[in-house]
Amino acid sequence: SQQGEEDPQALSIQEGENATMNCSYKTSINNLQWYRQNSGRGLVHLILIRSNEREKHSGRLRVTLDTSKKSSSLLITASRAADTASYFCATDAGTGGGADGLTFGKGTHLIIQP
Amino acid sequence: DADVTQTPRNRITKTGKRIMLECSQTKGHDRMYWYRQDPGLGLRLIYYSFDVKDINKGEISDGYSVSRQAQAKFSLSLESAIPNQTALYFCATGEGSLGTGTQYFGPGTRLLVL
Repeated sequence: SQQGEEDPQALSIQEGENATMNCSYKTSINNLQWYRQNSGRGLVHLILIRSNEREKHSGRLRVTLDTSKKSSSLLITASRAADTASYFCATDAGTGGGADGLTFGKGTHLIIQP
Repeated sequence: DADVTQTPRNRITKTGKRIMLECSQTKGHDRMYWYRQDPGLGLRLIYYSFDVKDINKGEISDGYSVSRQAQAKFSLSLESAIPNQTALYFCATGEGSLGTGTQYFGPGTRLLVL
């Protein structure tokens, strides 16, 4: 069963605008990760935030984590056409630092309009 | 990610046939995973392996089997393919140290069962 649920399912914005997508999950986690998937291709790891962290930055990406609400958000600033992709949150709730496999949400499909 | 390769990239087979999907990695990771992706359902874990002697079932292992031939190779078999196994299959590797959980995905195998 899905642990994470992304919201919205689809998002279309103009190039240069910021894109925000959210993820909610159900159980306690060790960390939460965000991945990007270009159409029909493999997933690429973007950023990992541990359960004791509240915010993390990587380039144009900003991730927040609220463990009390069991939610996370991914913000992409100054979006580009190349950011068009599906974005998945994944939670690591196992005891082995992710060794039990990640549990993925259904994804947010982001379209950047030129 | 060129460090994780999957063969074949596309496969069409008939109901009842046995097929094998292969995965190789040059990242030197001990942990390897097989996921399937269905439209609207995100990724779901089929099997995972901590090392050559350790194989574990994931969320949806029924109808599948795996073989870990070496640290670098992890194969997924469908013993008797059925149409609802039509999906996109991903192999992934993970670093062995605790507390990371980051996974690295192959490009995927698109399987169609007629």
